[in-house]
Amino acid sequence: AQKITQTQPGMFVQEKEAVTLDCTYDTSDQSYGLFWYKQPSSGEMIFLIYQGSYDEQNATEGRYSLNFQKARKSANLVISASQLGDSAMYFCAGRMDSNYQLIWGAGTKLIIKP
Amino acid sequence: DGGITQSPKYLFRKEGQNVTLSCEQNLNHDAMYWYRQDPGQGLRLIYYSQIVNDFQKGDIAEGYSVSREKKESFPLTVTSAQKNPTAFYLCASSMMVAGVEEQYFGPGTRLTVT
Repeated sequence: AQKITQTQPGMFVQEKEAVTLDCTYDTSDQSYGLFWYKQPSSGEMIFLIYQGSYDEQNATEGRYSLNFQKARKSANLVISASQLGDSAMYFCAGRMDSNYQLIWGAGTKLIIKP
Repeated sequence: DGGITQSPKYLFRKEGQNVTLSCEQNLNHDAMYWYRQDPGQGLRLIYYSQIVNDFQKGDIAEGYSVSREKKESFPLTVTSAQKNPTAFYLCASSMMVAGVEEQYFGPGTRLTVT
C-alpha cells in the first residue's frame, strides 16, 4: 500500500522568507513519482512541481524546488522568497510509475504574514 | 482558452435524490478523473477514465456512477446510495508533459445534501 504523510497541518511564515513544507512517502515500489499542488481558497488545484524517483537532481520550477531524499523517502517542497499570494493549501501526492492513481497527503495550510 | 469546466460551483440537494455533476474539458486529453475532498483531508479518487467508453473504479466508488460517451465529457452521478455525499468534488484531466503525466483540475463543485 502507498501512503503520503504531511506532518504540518498549518504554518505561518513571514513574507520574503523561505519556507519548507514536509512530505514523506511510504511505498515499496522503486519507480515512484512525487507531485506538489497548490490549492488557493478558490478550490482549484494548481500543479507546481514533479520529482521522479530516478531523477538524480532535485526538481526546480521558478521559486519552487524539491528537496528529494530517496533514502529517507522524503520530498519536501521549498518556496523561496515567499509572497502573500503563496498563502494556500499545499498538497503532496505520489504515484507509482505503473499506475494512474495519485495518492494524496492531507495537506498543509500555509499563511504568509506581511 | 483551453481548460476544464465544472458546473455548478455550488449545488444543494435533498437527501434521497440523485444528482449529476458535470465536467467538460477542451484540452483534448484522453484521461479524466473524479476526486472527492473532505475538510482537512487530501483528495480521494472516485472514478477515472483513460479512454472513451471505458472507466475504472477508484478507492471510493460506492454510491457513485460515471459515463464517458465523449472525450470531452465525464459526468459524475452521486446516487442516493452514497452515505455522506456532502463534499467538494474535483474533476481532472491529464496529458503527458516531458514524460510526466500532469493532471489539470477544474474549479470544483461544492455539493451540500440535507
